[in-house]
Amino acid sequence: AQKITQTQPGMFVQEKEAVTLDCTYDTSDQSYGLFWYKQPSSGEMIFLIYQGSYDEQNATEGRYSLNFQKARKSANLVISASQLGDSAMYFCAMREGDTGNQFYFGTGTSLTVIP
Amino acid sequence: NAGVTQTPKFRILKIGQSMTLQCTQDMNHNYMYWYRQDPGMGLKLIYYSVGAGITDKGEVPNGYNVSRSTTEDFPLRLELAAPSQTSVYFCASSYVRVYEQYFGPGTRLTVT
Repeated sequence: AQKITQTQPGMFVQEKEAVTLDCTYDTSDQSYGLFWYKQPSSGEMIFLIYQGSYDEQNATEGRYSLNFQKARKSANLVISASQLGDSAMYFCAMREGDTGNQFYFGTGTSLTVIP
Repeated sequence: NAGVTQTPKFRILKIGQSMTLQCTQDMNHNYMYWYRQDPGMGLKLIYYSVGAGITDKGEVPNGYNVSRSTTEDFPLRLELAAPSQTSVYFCASSYVRVYEQYFGPGTRLTVT
């Protein structure tokens, strides 16, 4: 089974609108971490936001927020007030376990912001 | 700070050749990682290290070797290159295990 599933290969959003990128995960561990990274066309990986499995509040970083629903095993990224510079690939990732160092990435969602 | 640097940026190898991808970080991070990203896919963990002298396998270690003799450097060795190893390779580091990783710019490798 896939550890991280991103079901939206491509998404379009109007500039200044909000957009939600979906991510579901699969783990039997109680302790884990969830991450979102952005990969522009230039290829570098840019960290956006982190959510720990024991964090009770949803993580927020500026225009990024993570909608964490533990029972549904989902960790959706919400980008508010989209900008043209948000056009990129977005990857959801998970670090599994208290002592583990295994990281798993999803296949990504390509976001295009339309002027 | 330069962050995480990787060399070379691009490389073409013939089948059966060997090479070492270099990775250096100047942030005094204990944790370092090597990933590969195949076209249109997410990253897969090849090897990781939790400190100098300590390395372990990730999800896709076959065909690769690593060493970590210093905190700063984490080279990835490809022996007997195969076309299946054509990919973009990313090195990353983190200060503590649980938080974000800082990525290098990547090495684009083609094996023909």
